[in-house]
Amino acid sequence: SQKIEQNSEALNIQEGKTATLTCNYTNYSPAYLQWYRQDPGRGPVFLLLIRENEKEKRKERLKVTFDTTLKQSLFHITASQPADSATYLCALEELSFGAGTTVTVRA
Amino acid sequence: EAGVAQSPRYKIIEKRQSVAFWCNPISGHATLYWYQQILGQGPKLLIQFQNNGVVDDSQLPKDRFSAERLKGVDSTLKIQPAKLEDSAVYLCASSPEQGIGTEAFFGQGTRLTVV
Repeated sequence: SQKIEQNSEALNIQEGKTATLTCNYTNYSPAYLQWYRQDPGRGPVFLLLIRENEKEKRKERLKVTFDTTLKQSLFHITASQPADSATYLCALEELSFGAGTTVTVRA
Repeated sequence: EAGVAQSPRYKIIEKRQSVAFWCNPISGHATLYWYQQILGQGPKLLIQFQNNGVVDDSQLPKDRFSAERLKGVDSTLKIQPAKLEDSAVYLCASSPEQGIGTEAFFGQGTRLTVV
């Protein structure tokens, strides 16, 4: 079955810096990959979707890349703000979610 | 536009008891998902419906879990009998279509504690 891994459980960064999160997967070739944000006690909220034929996608301060050869996606939050503090989940289509990376942005 | 509604918000039961969760998806959404999220883990897909038909239930423990989506709208997920390891948040999500890359909208979840 497919396996998905996200980098370190926690990422602490200074406000204004760029946070980079990694998502690696095996045993599957997804047609698309999604990134969600989850705040404590809430359900995940969709952020970005990138398809297998796309290399990069941007939305405001967010950027996602997708390398199907490496089986990896990178998620970047530029000019980070304390309000960006949350757990970010990577998902292969809607089938398999990673455990998430918790980002804390210090003012 | 109203979001995905789930109830109850919290539930505490003893092991071997039964429990049911309810989900009302966004109006017009054909696809409905149930996920189990154990503390510290990502959501795990339990079952996926397309209208009122099951698309994928490969990870649903069918000896104790059951789900239905009558009339292709609301859905219920039942656990009978519950075990301690079923303690988790049960998330319902819906999307307009399946498999074409549309975002899934999640409810707030039901937090189940089995004691």
